[in-house]
Amino acid sequence: AQKITQTQPGMFVQEKEAVTLDCTYDTSDQSYGLFWYKQPSSGEMIFLIYQGSYDEQNATEGRYSLNFQKARKSANLVISASQLGDSAMYFCAMREGLRGSTLGRLYFGRGTQLTVWP
Amino acid sequence: DTGVSQNPRHKITKRGQNVTFRCDPISEHNRLYWYRQTLGQGPEFLTYFQNEAQLEKSRLLSDRFSAERPKGSFSTLEIQRTEQGDSAMYLCASSLVSDMIYNEQFFGPGTRLTVL
Repeated sequence: AQKITQTQPGMFVQEKEAVTLDCTYDTSDQSYGLFWYKQPSSGEMIFLIYQGSYDEQNATEGRYSLNFQKARKSANLVISASQLGDSAMYFCAMREGLRGSTLGRLYFGRGTQLTVWP
Repeated sequence: DTGVSQNPRHKITKRGQNVTFRCDPISEHNRLYWYRQTLGQGPEFLTYFQNEAQLEKSRLLSDRFSAERPKGSFSTLEIQRTEQGDSAMYLCASSLVSDMIYNEQFFGPGTRLTVL
């Protein structure tokens, strides 16, 4: 089974509007972390925001916020006031709890290509 | 030290040739990770090091792949007898040693391999 599922291959949003990128995850661990990364066409992965499984508040970082619904196992990224420079591929990723040999690795989804138009 | 660096940025090779990539992590980072990203997919974990010790290898890392981090600083990833299916972006990331779930991995720009 996929650890991370991103069901939107592509999303389009007009500049200055908000957009939500979906992410669902699958884990049996109680302790885990969820990450969002942005990957522009140049290729580097840029960290955006993190949500821990025990965090009670939804994470926010500037224009980025994470809509964390633990019971639904979803961690959607909300980008407010979209900018042309937000056009990129966005990846949701998960790191599971501290057990055995899984320590450290990130599991990524297939990504969502966001296009912001003027 | 401004971040993780990878060399070369692009590599084109013929099927059957060997290739080697290098990753230089952020200097104080003890952990180093390799991921592979094929077209239209997210990065997939290959292996990771803590200092010079290789602590985990994915099943994706076939016998033709070998990674080293001889002095706990830079790392190399070698692919022997390349196949067209090896064409991908190879990403390196580094992080501090931490037992925290939130342990940000900083990624390099990647090496894009094309096998003809």
